[in-house]
Amino acid sequence: GESVGLHLPTLSVQEGDNSIINCAYSNSASDYFIWYKQESGKGPQFIIDIRSNMDKRQGQRVTVLLNKTVKHLSLQIAATQPGDSAVYFCAEKGGATNKLIFGTGTLLAVQP
Amino acid sequence: GAGVSQSPSNKVTEKGKDVELRCDPISGHTALYWYRQSLGQGLEFLIYFQGNSAPDKSGLPSDRFSAERTGGSVSTLTIQRTQQEDSAVYLCASSPDVRNSGNTIYFGEGSWLTVV
Repeated sequence: GESVGLHLPTLSVQEGDNSIINCAYSNSASDYFIWYKQESGKGPQFIIDIRSNMDKRQGQRVTVLLNKTVKHLSLQIAATQPGDSAVYFCAEKGGATNKLIFGTGTLLAVQP
Repeated sequence: GAGVSQSPSNKVTEKGKDVELRCDPISGHTALYWYRQSLGQGLEFLIYFQGNSAPDKSGLPSDRFSAERTGGSVSTLTIQRTQQEDSAVYLCASSPDVRNSGNTIYFGEGSWLTVV
């Protein structure tokens, strides 16, 4: 029979390597950005956020970079672990709207 | 609990029936969002509430969908005359004040709806 498969971009990395997940956002007026991690069967989990007056913010093992010139956001995960395997979404908010608009997501697969 | 609570976690309903999904936001959060996520897809905005202001309903896909928020806390998303394409995970989120750009938005675990 016909099956429905995931059509998400996939990033496959080896355990211990660094991961970089990229996101292009749409609204130049957006002033707040969030990265979420979503494991199978669960709701999105907040990872890290950044405001538009910053270009870099660091958390524990994660760093978010913001390039407003090209409307690009990235999430760097240091020393990737099997528990990092999930779908990662970027989201933008602000400007004329208070909606949180999500990107399409990237599936991170960590190989042991 | 400390997080956003949604019920039911799973719901199977027959086509044409009405369903109600409930969301309990984090205590003290004035902003509440509903999103829909189809299998393998991103999150689609449906509606958000901010305090006593009129809700932003611009994401509701049809007039079969409606939502209420009573007393500025609990919210109910109602889908009337369900169709098979309504099958998805319905996610609720809350935030201290959506107008303060930068307040983190926290999600519940979602209500999985299957229309047969």
